[in-house]
Amino acid sequence: EAQVTQNPRYLITVTGKKLTVTCSQNMNHEYMSWYRQDPGLGLRQIYYSMNVEVTDKGDVPEGYKVSRKEKRNFPLILESPSPNQTSLYFCASSFMGGVEKLFFGSGTQLSVL
Amino acid sequence: KQEVTQIPAALSVPEGENLVLNCSFTDSAIYNLQWFRQDPGKGLTSLLLIQSSQREQTSGRLNASLDKSSGRSTLYIAASQPGDSATYLCAVQKGAQKLVFGQGTRLTINP
Repeated sequence: EAQVTQNPRYLITVTGKKLTVTCSQNMNHEYMSWYRQDPGLGLRQIYYSMNVEVTDKGDVPEGYKVSRKEKRNFPLILESPSPNQTSLYFCASSFMGGVEKLFFGSGTQLSVL
Repeated sequence: KQEVTQIPAALSVPEGENLVLNCSFTDSAIYNLQWFRQDPGKGLTSLLLIQSSQREQTSGRLNASLDKSSGRSTLYIAASQPGDSATYLCAVQKGAQKLVFGQGTRLTINP
């Protein structure tokens, strides 16, 4: 089944403790992206990647890192999480960004205490 | 800066009605526009994608239109069903693979 898989679904952590949210797609998509969704602010793009080793900042990249060493994986790294990064995070992918529909993962609810 | 607005924020209609959801954007120089559906606790599902050169797209009971010059798109749902209850979001893409989302319309279809 074609899908975007995020792990974990739920995560509670404390300020400053490094964490990684994984994202994997099995559709051989070139384009992958991370979003956060907050009440009243909607979905905002954090980082995106057009292909392996090619990443770029979205609208809210501060406090986040990404890497794209393999085509199928696009992990989101929070080196030193803070409470303002408490949010619902989504990973998404498409065959070619801009001309194809975007496929989303089920989301990761992160709480930073 | 591109801004995307969806009005109304919430809509409740009886089953069987035809309805229209609205999306407006401030910068008409877009690459494409997508309509998504989001169910509680789940990710987004892309419903329709309209390229900038297109005027509309249809999928089953859904029809989306795009008027770039006026900065508007509509999602028309025919013969609504309770299973259509969800939040509907539109997103515009303006170069560099960046999507800007509206805040969504929460739709409730009452049996």
